[in-house]
Amino acid sequence: GQNIDQPTEMTATEGAIVQINCTYQTSGFNGLFWYQQHAGEAPTFLSYNVLDGLEEKGRFSSFLSRSKGYSYLLLKELQMKDSASYLCAASDSNYQLIWGAGTKLIIKP
Amino acid sequence: GAVVSQHPSWVICKSGTSVKIECRSLDFQATTMFWYRQFPKQSLMLMATSNEGSKATYEQGVEKDKFLINHASLTLSTLTVTSAHPEDSSFYICSAPALAGDVGEQYFGPGTRLTVT
Repeated sequence: GQNIDQPTEMTATEGAIVQINCTYQTSGFNGLFWYQQHAGEAPTFLSYNVLDGLEEKGRFSSFLSRSKGYSYLLLKELQMKDSASYLCAASDSNYQLIWGAGTKLIIKP
Repeated sequence: GAVVSQHPSWVICKSGTSVKIECRSLDFQATTMFWYRQFPKQSLMLMATSNEGSKATYEQGVEKDKFLINHASLTLSTLTVTSAHPEDSSFYICSAPALAGDVGEQYFGPGTRLTVT
């Protein structure tokens, strides 16, 4: 079956760095997405990886290892506004998105 | 960037009534739109894929006669929850692909919170 695993909740301190991991098992693979979702709001796109390696975009970076079925989202210089849920989604052979349950990130001062 | 709007943003209805939710792409055309449902503290669950000019494709377990989808134009898709029950209370979100034919990056609407009493 198809499955996405990511931690349910993580806590980090303002100004610090946090890494949110995601492992996936899909029928075929056409890329890995990370979305940010604040409570009560719709998700917003953060990143897309289809090749192995690290993609950096400002304070956020995303890494992919296709051979390991593994990705992580790295958030640097954490700000209080980064408190949100982070959703990992993998695109399968039919280009359908398989969504993880999301990781709730709590930022403490 | 591209904008997707939803209306209403929240609605309360009584059991047995029907509720229509609209999803519009404001500055681009969307031949495909997706409808998701999200229960508290859970991830997005794809309900159906709405296709302009043809029937919607429903995911397994989603009743097509209960959740009516109409993709009336290249900028509008509607989801009607018929004979609503309290268990239908949820956050309904629509989205449209950033690129035609690509379901990867999606632009999401702000969501509609439905409460059935």
